[in-house]
Amino acid sequence: KAGVTQTPRYLIKTRGQQVTLSCSPISGHRSVSWYQQTPGQGLQFLFEYFSETQRNKGNFPGRFSGRQFSNSRSEMNVSTLELGDSALYLCASGTLGGTEAFFGQGTRLTVV
Amino acid sequence: AQKVTQAQTEISVVEKEDVTLDCVYETRDTTYYLFWYKQPPSGELVFLIRRNSFDEQNEISGRYSWNFQKSTSSFNFTITASQVVDSAVYFCALSEVGDYKLSFGAGTTVTVRA
Repeated sequence: KAGVTQTPRYLIKTRGQQVTLSCSPISGHRSVSWYQQTPGQGLQFLFEYFSETQRNKGNFPGRFSGRQFSNSRSEMNVSTLELGDSALYLCASGTLGGTEAFFGQGTRLTVV
Repeated sequence: AQKVTQAQTEISVVEKEDVTLDCVYETRDTTYYLFWYKQPPSGELVFLIRRNSFDEQNEISGRYSWNFQKSTSSFNFTITASQVVDSAVYFCALSEVGDYKLSFGAGTTVTVRA
């Protein structure tokens, strides 16, 4: 069974640009959540989607957005990139009523 | 609000020593889940163990064991007979039951020397 797949693995963008990251969950999983990991703030929850609906949202500015498609794949978008958005972005998937979340290897975004 | 505290920033041990990682949490929820995740250099968070708040039985799974004490809001994790492959960052996390929103601690870097 394939794990959570995130693409791309590495990305370099310039300040002011926007970026889209993709996450394909484990087959059968309908919940997808996103986290940002930085040395200063650690692991922070961004948002969670279940059946194409956002169920939870963390404390991030509106520049961070996401969506989920009918096949459960999810994308997150960051507009008007800032240097502080440089981070490892992790995606996790889970089942309805499940417990543990399974993580992908992440997308490392560098903003220059 | 939920909060998870891992007071230990780094731990360094020699192979075969036991390693105990401390975790203290705060939550207003009466039912919740506690987790330990491992993050090797590759970056992926690997699920290790989960404990329900309503089950305080401590268990052992292979070289891993945990000590959950609701009275002190602690959820400590022990690796017995550590190996070099155990070198990683370990995170304690908390979530409400049925909710995938995880609150993570700052992580503890474990280095196991041969």
